[in-house]
Formats: sequence, structure tokens, C-alpha cells
Amino acid sequence: GAVVSQHPSRVICKSGTSVKIECRSLDFQATTMFWYRQFPKKSLMLMATSNEGSKATYEQGVEKDKFLINHASLTLSTLTVTSAHPEDSSFYICSAGSTGVPSYEQYFGPGTRLTVT
Amino acid sequence: QQQVKQSPQSLIVQKGGISIINCAYENTAFDYFPWYQQFPGKGPALLIAIRPDVSEKKEGRFTISFNKSAKQFSLHIMDSQPGDSATYFCAASNTVGREYGNKLVFGAGTILRVKS
Repeated sequence: GAVVSQHPSRVICKSGTSVKIECRSLDFQATTMFWYRQFPKKSLMLMATSNEGSKATYEQGVEKDKFLINHASLTLSTLTVTSAHPEDSSFYICSAGSTGVPSYEQYFGPGTRLTVT
Repeated sequence: QQQVKQSPQSLIVQKGGISIINCAYENTAFDYFPWYQQFPGKGPALLIAIRPDVSEKKEGRFTISFNKSAKQFSLHIMDSQPGDSATYFCAASNTVGREYGNKLVFGAGTILRVKS
């Protein structure tokens, strides 16, 4: 149980275009989803927290208009990187948590490798 | 105060040996301490977690030791195997405070290599 999927697993896009990444909780309802960014050989950097049906809360330094997050249902959150530039190239990982049993645990998706050319 | 300090940065252990990774935190409001294992190109996977009401938790070859007074916790991997070679992250969160919810604060990570 507690499976989180991400789509796509890899995406290459041209500079200036937008890319949407989907995060789904497959076998549980995720009241909260988190989006992280990870650079090579580095730790996870939290970008934003999203709760179903409400606006995402962004971490300091994360541009809200560039990284659009939508959490439309209890099983789906999307991250849209708008007007992508090469410096946005990174590994993006989502996670999902639930206040159900087991509570407080957070389950991570497999990640999405974004390359902006 | 939100930092979780993890050491060592990298670790090489012989097959069958014990791998030990340490973490320290400052925020006494943290009440949930998970460890994650991450293989290259994959998302982190929850390995084992502990809450501060116990000093030790064991699951198979993996053990968390928790020292509340010292604000430290560690991961021990017994009988380390080459398949354990991965990056390990400790984390902490305050599961009670509304300000944080389940937001995790991660350590910097430890790259473990188990030599066969």
C-alpha cells in the first residue's frame, strides 16, 4: 500500500515552454502533498505544500508564478513549471501524506527528471 | 533551529559490517523521525521511523537509536550488504503543530557504499 506515482518520469522541453508534472496517490487519499526539488548529490529541497482544495503554501524563495501547483482532488496534485529555463532542470519529487493510518508518514513518488534545453 | 545535521557525508563499509549514520536536531517540537533510502534516479523510500516515546526501534537489519536528551538519533544497518549501497536521509517533523503539519526537514544525506 501507500503508492505514489509521478508522470512523466522524464521530460525534455525547450526553453520558454511549460511542463506539467502529475503526482498521484494510488491507494490512499492524500490530504497533503508536497513538492520537492533535488539537485545531484544533494538533499531534498521542499518547494511547496498543497492541501486538497486550497492554495499551495510555497517555501521562501520559490516563485509562485513559475511553479504552479494544483491539488484538485485527494489523489492528484500537479506541478507546472512555466516558461522553463535551463536552470529549472532538476529532479522533481512529490510526496503524499495522510492523516489516516499510518498517520504522519510521507510516501514519495519515483521522481521526474526535467531537462530544459 | 529547523536544521537536521547528518553525518558522515559518505561511508564505506565492508560487506557484513555495521553501517552507522548519525543525525542531530535542535527543534524540541520535532516528534517524528523517519529515515529514507534513495537509489540513484529514484524517489526516497521510507525505511524506518521512530517517535520520541521510545529509545530504539528495530526492523530487520535496520535499527534506529533515539536519544531525546541529546537530541540525536542514528540509523544502524547490521550485516550490511552491497544492495544497501544508496543514499540515506534522516528527517524530522512536528506532527502536532499546525504551522508545520507533516512538513519534513531533511538532513544532507549520507552516501553509503558497501564493498563486497
